[in-house]
Amino acid sequence: AQKVTQAQTEISVVEKEDVTLDCVYETRDTTYYLFWYKQPPSGELVFLIRRNSFDEQNEISGRYSWNFQKSTSSFNFTITASQVVDSAVYFCALSEAGRDDKIIFGKGTRLHILP
Amino acid sequence: GAVVSQHPSRVICKSGTSVKIECRSLDFQATTMFWYRQFPKQSLMLMATSNEGSKATYEQGVEKDKFLINHASLTLSTLTVTSAHPEDSSFYICSVQDRTNYGYTFGSGTRLTVV
Repeated sequence: AQKVTQAQTEISVVEKEDVTLDCVYETRDTTYYLFWYKQPPSGELVFLIRRNSFDEQNEISGRYSWNFQKSTSSFNFTITASQVVDSAVYFCALSEAGRDDKIIFGKGTRLHILP
Repeated sequence: GAVVSQHPSRVICKSGTSVKIECRSLDFQATTMFWYRQFPKQSLMLMATSNEGSKATYEQGVEKDKFLINHASLTLSTLTVTSAHPEDSSFYICSVQDRTNYGYTFGSGTRLTVV
């Protein structure tokens, strides 16, 4: 069965610091997709990234970067030079392709960026 | 990605009444939609997978007679919370899957309060 673990429940950092959000996943499938979503106080889910299991290249998008390591079943997310607007809950999620395609979410990490 | 409209964004109802939440895919024909529930400061929990033209698939522990899902067209899925009680108060979010690119688009959510 698929499972996503975000061990960090809540993180607080001072603005401009770098912060890494951890995500560890479990799946029996060889083909799967990993996601990160941001949920600001408004509640709407903001899509950040999707990565398939065959693409282990790290990705950088502006201040955001992701480190995918199949050997440790991790898909960590780093925010560089954090800003107050980055304050939100961040969810890591997993979908097993070819099965029922449903996305299972981790419990989320609540990130506070302090001015 | 797909554009998803969820309505209403907020609803307050009396205990014992039923509430219908709509999820529309505005620019994409969605054969599959998903319904999630999120309690305060918790993760998104998948309730059911809505399949166009067939019965929904419910997750373990979700009462199908209480949470009625109808996916009568490729652009509309509805979730009806029947005989609502205060414990049903939650944030309900729908999701549309785009199988062409394995993307998922989420609605903006419905905050249900049962008084």
